[in-house]
Amino acid sequence: DQQVKQNSPSLSVQEGRISILNCDYTNSMFDYFLWYKKYPAEGPTFLISISSIKDKNEDGRFTVFLNKSAKHLSLHIVPSQPGDSAVYFCAASASAGGTSYGKLTFGQGTILTVHP
Amino acid sequence: GAVVSQHPSWVICKSGTSVKIECRSLDFQATTMFWYRQFPKQSLMLMATSNEGSKATYEQGVEKDKFLINHASLTLSTLTVTSAHPEDSSFYICSASPLERAGNEQFFGPGTRLTVL
Repeated sequence: DQQVKQNSPSLSVQEGRISILNCDYTNSMFDYFLWYKKYPAEGPTFLISISSIKDKNEDGRFTVFLNKSAKHLSLHIVPSQPGDSAVYFCAASASAGGTSYGKLTFGQGTILTVHP
Repeated sequence: GAVVSQHPSWVICKSGTSVKIECRSLDFQATTMFWYRQFPKQSLMLMATSNEGSKATYEQGVEKDKFLINHASLTLSTLTVTSAHPEDSSFYICSASPLERAGNEQFFGPGTRLTVL
């Protein structure tokens, strides 16, 4: 059962344009969401996160939007740069405590390619 | 800040041998560390949650006797793959969450590539 889904395996964008990466989840207990960037043979790098009490969080070129009713979140990168080319994973956690606290459930990842 | 290291970065071993992978949080303390594995072109799959001073919590389908986890201190967790077989070949990644950081942010190590011949 894939509780976090990234339905687009890849995305290609021109430099300077906006990149929009999407993520859907099914578990209503998830209340904290994160985006990670990953290069091959390296560990993921934290990008940005959002709590379920918010619907938007912005950090420089990166903005994450959360639509709780639709159980959907998206990462916007604008303007996109060639150095942004990597695999992007969304992840979710339930911070309510108990054995699930701190555990991250990852999506399958989306390969972003930004062309010069 | 929030740097996590792993050692070794890659290892090749013969089938039947055991391999130990270390995960260290270099500039923060972490009560909990996590171990993931990633197969090519797939997502990160949580294997177990490593708790300092207590037994690890394993995810369903992960053999606790095969993947031994020891969380010796607030900055070190080790994963030992016992009697490794070729199907254990994978990319193993650890993560840690700083004690003082709210929101379940985890910082990941660079990963260890294990190849079992």
